[in-house]
Amino acid sequence: GENVEQHPSTLSVQEGDSAVIKCTYSDSASNYFPWYKQELGKRPQLIIDIRSNVGEKKDQRIAVTLNKTAKHFSLHITETQPEDSAVYFCAASRNNDMRFGAGTRLTVKP
Amino acid sequence: GAGVSQSPSNKVTEKGKDVELRCDPISGHTALYWYRQSLGQGLEFLIYFQGNSAPDKSGLPSDRFSAERTGGSVSTLTIQRTQQEDSAVYLCASSRGGRSYNEQFFGPGTRLTVL
Repeated sequence: GENVEQHPSTLSVQEGDSAVIKCTYSDSASNYFPWYKQELGKRPQLIIDIRSNVGEKKDQRIAVTLNKTAKHFSLHITETQPEDSAVYFCAASRNNDMRFGAGTRLTVKP
Repeated sequence: GAGVSQSPSNKVTEKGKDVELRCDPISGHTALYWYRQSLGQGLEFLIYFQGNSAPDKSGLPSDRFSAERTGGSVSTLTIQRTQQEDSAVYLCASSRGGRSYNEQFFGPGTRLTVL
């Protein structure tokens, strides 16, 4: 089955700096790669996703890149703000069968 | 419309007792997932239901864990003879299914504490 690895497990940045979280996956048939944000005490929520036929997608301060050949994808957050502090999960999915990475705890220091 | 709901929100039980956790997915969603999240940890996949297909049970940690989905809607996760290591938040999610690119919507979770 699919195996998703995520790095780093914790990340601390200064407000205004950029943050990058990287994930790799094992199943070359995976074709959908969402990112979820989980704030403390809350449920995970989708923030951005990318399909396998696209190499990059951007939505305001967040962007995702996908390298199908290398089977890795990344989340980029620019101009970080304290409200970006949360745990971020990447996931890889094939036919709705989705597996999540272990999560990255991002702390943005004011 | 209503989101994914789970009950109970909190459950405290004694070691060795059985527990049942319930998930009500979003109406019309054919895919349903159960995850376990230990304190400060990631989302551990447990089981996945898609329509009338046989569920993917590959994530269930032991034969003490089982899940059903009746009528293609409500799902129940049952843990028999609970152990202290079962203490965690159990999250349910649902999605439209039917194609690959579907957002999962999560419920609020059930916090299980085994004493």
